[in-house]
Amino acid sequence: GENVEQHPSTLSVQEGDSAVIKCTYSDSASNYFPWYKQELGKRPQLIIDIRSNVGEKKDQRIAVTLNKTAKHFSLHITETQPEDSAVYFCAASMAGYSTLTFGKGTMLLVSP
Amino acid sequence: KAGVTQTPRYLIKTRGQQVTLSCSPISGHRSVSWYQQTPGQGLQFLFEYFSETQRNKGNFPGRFSGRQFSNSRSEMNVSTLELGDSALYLCASSLGGTAEAFFGQGTRLTVV
Repeated sequence: GENVEQHPSTLSVQEGDSAVIKCTYSDSASNYFPWYKQELGKRPQLIIDIRSNVGEKKDQRIAVTLNKTAKHFSLHITETQPEDSAVYFCAASMAGYSTLTFGKGTMLLVSP
Repeated sequence: KAGVTQTPRYLIKTRGQQVTLSCSPISGHRSVSWYQQTPGQGLQFLFEYFSETQRNKGNFPGRFSGRQFSNSRSEMNVSTLELGDSALYLCASSLGGTAEAFFGQGTRLTVV
């Protein structure tokens, strides 16, 4: 089955800095890669996603890149703000299935 | 429109008992997936249902079971509870395939 590795497990940055979280996946059949943000005590919420026919996608301060050959995908957050502090999960899914295989999560702490 | 609703929000059960958790998806969504979230293991996939059919199953013992009804509502059941079953159980609904998945608030199960 699919296996998703996520690094780092914790990330501390100063407000205004950039943050990068990296994930690798094992199954070349995976073609959908969402990123979820989970604040303390709340449900995971989708912040951005990318499909295998695209190499990069941006949404304001957030961007995701995908390297299908290397089976890597990354989340980039620029100009971080304290409200970006949360746990971020990457995930992978195969065509036709709603099953998400998640990485173990990255706790991002943005200090003012 | 209403989001994904999970009931109950909190449960305390004794070892050996069984428990049933409920998930009502967003109206029009026919896919429901269940996940177990623990601090050590992160988000682990349990089941995926689409139009009352189980399409995929995670690597959990047979004590974990689920079903989906004709109105897309889903239930999961855990029999012979163990202390290690204490976790946040999340369900997610979507239109199916790799469409965006929306999570419920979760059911916090504590086994004592």
